[in-house]
Amino acid sequence: KAGVTQTPRYLIKTRGQQVTLSCSPISGHRSVSWYQQTPGQGLQFLFEYFSETQRNKGNFPGRFSGRQFSNSRSEMNVSTLELGDSALYLCASRDGGTGELFFGEGSRLTVL
Amino acid sequence: QQPVQSPQAVILREGEDAVINCSSSKALYSVHWYRQKHGEAPIFLMILLKGGEQKGHDKISASFNEKKQQSSLYLTASQLSYSGTYFCGTGQFTSGNTPLVFGKGTRLSVIA
Repeated sequence: KAGVTQTPRYLIKTRGQQVTLSCSPISGHRSVSWYQQTPGQGLQFLFEYFSETQRNKGNFPGRFSGRQFSNSRSEMNVSTLELGDSALYLCASRDGGTGELFFGEGSRLTVL
Repeated sequence: QQPVQSPQAVILREGEDAVINCSSSKALYSVHWYRQKHGEAPIFLMILLKGGEQKGHDKISASFNEKKQQSSLYLTASQLSYSGTYFCGTGQFTSGNTPLVFGKGTRLSVIA
């Protein structure tokens, strides 16, 4: 079974630009969550999608948005990038039976 | 609300034991434990549910005190491969509908 795939793995943007990150969950998983990871802050919850609907949302500004498609693939978008948005963005799909999260390797965003 | 993990970091010699604690100010339904090695995705270790039994496999086990909203991860006879950052993730409601909120992590280093 293929794991969670995130693209791109690395990207560099400048302040004010926007970025779109993509996540393909494990086949059969309908729940996809996004987390922001920065040194010293751990994993900060962004949002969760289930069957194309946003089910939960973390405490991030409206510049952070996401969506999920009918094949469960998900994208997140960050508009008007700020220096503080530099982070590793992790996507995780959830096994509906066990509740276990399977994480992708992440997209590392650097904002200059 | 983000759970609090302690200690923030610990250094062990091979064969020594360690305990990592995770506490929340909110009533919990589930606690997940993950380990992340440098440059890799977090990997699931175990999940503990309210009313469930203490979990464990091999030399890693965990407990969940529902009344105190606390969980502890026990690593016995540590091995070099145990090095990494350990995260607890807490869920307030049934596992299918609650986002996991993670602590800031505990960095564990095992040395020979």
